[in-house]
Amino acid sequence: DSGVTQTPKHLITATGQRVTLRCSPRSGDLSVYWYQQSLDQGLQFLIQYYNGEERAKGNILERFSAQQFPDLHSELNLSSLELGDSALYFCASSPKTANTGELFFGEGSRLTVL
Amino acid sequence: GENVEQHPSTLSVQEGDSAVIKCTYSDSASNYFPWYKQELGKGPQLIIDIRSNVGEKKDQRIAVTLNKTAKHFSLHITETQPEDSAVYFCAATSPGNQFYFGTGTSLTVIP
Repeated sequence: DSGVTQTPKHLITATGQRVTLRCSPRSGDLSVYWYQQSLDQGLQFLIQYYNGEERAKGNILERFSAQQFPDLHSELNLSSLELGDSALYFCASSPKTANTGELFFGEGSRLTVL
Repeated sequence: GENVEQHPSTLSVQEGDSAVIKCTYSDSASNYFPWYKQELGKGPQLIIDIRSNVGEKKDQRIAVTLNKTAKHFSLHITETQPEDSAVYFCAATSPGNQFYFGTGTSLTVIP
C-alpha cells in the first residue's frame, strides 16, 4: 500500500459527460502529480501541484483541469469526454517539489467512455 | 524537453534466466533515473533508482547501470521468478523538472 488513495477505482460514462477523479496523497506529501495511461502507452504526465499551487503542466487537454485543495487532496476534472479519454488515470505524490525522489502512485482510476 | 526511449516493449524469459531492459534519454541535465514495476491492477512502484554520480547500483537480484556519456541506463534482473512478471517503466528527471517515463516493457517469466 503506497498510502495514496484514488477514487473511484472504476468509472463508466458517456461521451460529452464530465467526471471528477479524486486523489488523497500520502500523509505529509506536498506534491501531487496526475498521469494518464492509455492502452499500450506509457505514463503521460498531465499536471503537478505543490502545496496548492500548479507547478508544472504536461500534455493536459484544455477540457481537463485539476486543483489541489488546502488539505492537499487533489481532483482531476475531465469534461466533454471523448472515447479517446478512456484510460487509467494515476495520481502520485512525493514529499518535495524537486523531482529527485520517489513518486508514490495510487492504484489508479479506470475511466471508460462509451 | 526530455525524451526517454525504452526497449524492448515485450520480453519473455525462462524462469531462472536474466532479463535486461534498456532506456535512453536525451537531456544531459537529467540526473535521477528510477525504475518502476507495475503489477496487474496496481499502480507503479519504485524498485530501484540511480543518480548520475553513480555508475551501477544493485539490490539483491536487481541492478541498474548508467552510462552518462552515452545517455543510457539499463535494468538487469537475474534469476528471474514468475513474480517478476509485470510491466517495467524507466524514467528520467532533473531537479525542478517533471518525471519523463519510457513506454514500458511487459516482462513475462515462463515457469
